Amino acid sequence: EVQLLESGGDLVQPGGSLRLSCAASGFTFSSYAMNWVRQAPGKGLQWVSTISSSGAATYFADSVKGRFTISRDNSKNTLFLQMNSLRAEDTAVYYCVKSPSASQYFDYWGQGTLVTVSS
Amino acid sequence: EIVMTQSPATLSVSPGERATLSCRASQSVSSNLAWYQQKRGQAPRLLFYGASTRATGIPARFSGSGSGTEFTLTISSLQSEDFALYYCQHYHNWPLTFGGGTKVEIK
Repeated sequence: EVQLLESGGDLVQPGGSLRLSCAASGFTFSSYAMNWVRQAPGKGLQWVSTISSSGAATYFADSVKGRFTISRDNSKNTLFLQMNSLRAEDTAVYYCVKSPSASQYFDYWGQGTLVTVSS
Repeated sequence: EIVMTQSPATLSVSPGERATLSCRASQSVSSNLAWYQQKRGQAPRLLFYGASTRATGIPARFSGSGSGTEFTLTISSLQSEDFALYYCQHYHNWPLTFGGGTKVEIK
């Protein structure tokens, strides 16, 4: 059974930093692209970032480009999102999401971790 | 950026009735379109990919259709567990984008 368990969400001040982690199990982590998708309170879904299976390629939404970094440790089946220069509009539940081979839709989702940016 | 527009924003339907949800892309996404269902307090769940391929475990009362810029999600006979939010998402190119969602509520 595929399981994705996010951690690291917290209350942080504007301009601060936070690192999210996602522990994956139940599949061959190193074979699949992984993603972060977020959802602001009461709002819709927004794709944030994608990393290829090897980690060689990364993609970001314009709203986070230059502030967020995505990475992975395939030896530990873990996905990361480093978030810097956080803004109030980054407040959201952040989901760790798996993609199937060769396509960028989202077949398995974690339960999410809440990031709140506020002073 | 491809803009995905879903309509209506809210759909009021009686149990047992048919629901038809629309998703329009601002430019062609071929068949690179997925649908998700999200219930209150839960993570989204994949319903369809490739516009019309049902994901594992999705009941046959759900169907997806369309290509290019116009897509439809149909629920043939609404069950109580189907009242939820539904999102479409294209994966034709970067950036990946979602529609704003359609809430299916009990009439």
